[in-house]
Amino acid sequence: SQTIHQWPATLVQPVGSPLSLECTVEGTSNPNLYWYRQAAGRGLQLLFYSVGIGQISSEVPQNLSASRPQDRQFILSSKKLLLSDSGFYLCAWSGTGDPYEQYFGPGTRLTVT
Amino acid sequence: AQSVAQPEDQVNVAEGNPLTVKCTYSVSGNPYLFWYVQYPNRGLQFLLKYITGDNLVKGSYGFEAEFNKSQTSFHLKKPSALVSDSALYFCAVRVPNTGNQFYFGTGTSLTVIP
Repeated sequence: SQTIHQWPATLVQPVGSPLSLECTVEGTSNPNLYWYRQAAGRGLQLLFYSVGIGQISSEVPQNLSASRPQDRQFILSSKKLLLSDSGFYLCAWSGTGDPYEQYFGPGTRLTVT
Repeated sequence: AQSVAQPEDQVNVAEGNPLTVKCTYSVSGNPYLFWYVQYPNRGLQFLLKYITGDNLVKGSYGFEAEFNKSQTSFHLKKPSALVSDSALYFCAVRVPNTGNQFYFGTGTSLTVIP
């Protein structure tokens, strides 16, 4: 069966510090991968998605970036965090075909102080 | 543009009563439809999906949803609510052959009152 991992679970970082969040998927190959941010426990904002190694689509211009160095690894980064980057970050994967649904990781709670 | 609407931010229901969480969508093409549940500080958990076929689909934890093409709706239902069903529920749409994006509603907070 497939599993998706995210780490760290929680992170407190000062403004201006760098960020690296990692997501890995097991048990499938060539997944579509996604990064979302959820603010105040409500709506999901799609940040990036990837259909293959090195292929990244950015949905919202901001000081975040994403990379996919391996088929089942998706990394969210920032060079300098802003207060507004605080939130709950969720990684997800889906199949190109079946399974058509997304499966989400446990999330990372980021607090920028 | 593709969009998903969950018209109710909050739904309250008494334990043992039937529950409905509403979802409507506006997409070009024939959508795939999904429901997810989120508990506090957790990732979203897949509940059920409609891809094709029977309009009534059944999912985890006794939940079901009915696809209504004419009303472009996909309401989530459960015959008898449990206190443990209290959570945040998201409806989502994926349009095949138009890319790999999913479009989410803004979520409905369900509270089941003992």
